[in-house]
Amino acid sequence: AQSVTQPDIHITVSEGASLELRCNYSYGATPYLFWYVQSPGQGLQLLLKYFSGDTLVQGIKGFEAEFKRSQSSFNLRKPSVHWSDAAEYFCAVGLNNNDMRFGAGTRLTVKP
Amino acid sequence: GAVVSQHPSRVICKSGTSVKIECRSLDFQATTMFWYRQFPKQSLMLMATSNEGSKATYEQGVEKDKFLINHASLTLSTLTVTSAHPEDSSFYICSASRGTGGEGYTFGSGTRLTVV
Repeated sequence: AQSVTQPDIHITVSEGASLELRCNYSYGATPYLFWYVQSPGQGLQLLLKYFSGDTLVQGIKGFEAEFKRSQSSFNLRKPSVHWSDAAEYFCAVGLNNNDMRFGAGTRLTVKP
Repeated sequence: GAVVSQHPSRVICKSGTSVKIECRSLDFQATTMFWYRQFPKQSLMLMATSNEGSKATYEQGVEKDKFLINHASLTLSTLTVTSAHPEDSSFYICSASRGTGGEGYTFGSGTRLTVV
């Protein structure tokens, strides 16, 4: 079955520490891949996206993600987390029919 | 560029009334718009895909008669929650697509609907 999986529901990291949020997908072909961030009561902001080419993608706010075809993964990383990064993060895939499906989300808490 | 405006951001309505939510693409023409629903602490669930000038395509389990979608122009789609009930209370988000292949998704800021 087609799916997007974010294995971690909640992650807590200390400010200044590195971060990696996991995302795996299960689709017949390589879909378009996205990471979005959502602050409470707000819409979604695009952090980065992968369509093709270089598998390491740079995004806004110091985030990057790496597409690994062999693992069907698109993990989000940041070398040093800031308190303002606390939010909900969603991995998503865009399909050829212009549809988009989201993972369940990972809530990030940043400790001082 | 690529701004999507969603209005209202918050609405409280009485049970049995209808509420209309607007989604506008401000600086591009959106051939397709999507409506999502998000319950607290959960992910976004696609409700329907709205194509300009044609009927919306609803996801399985979404009541067409309850969630009326109109996409009358390339810059505006509306979602009307008819005869709202407390269980319809949720966060509704729209997104607009400029093209094909998943490239042009831009999200609105969402609408918090509370039915009392």
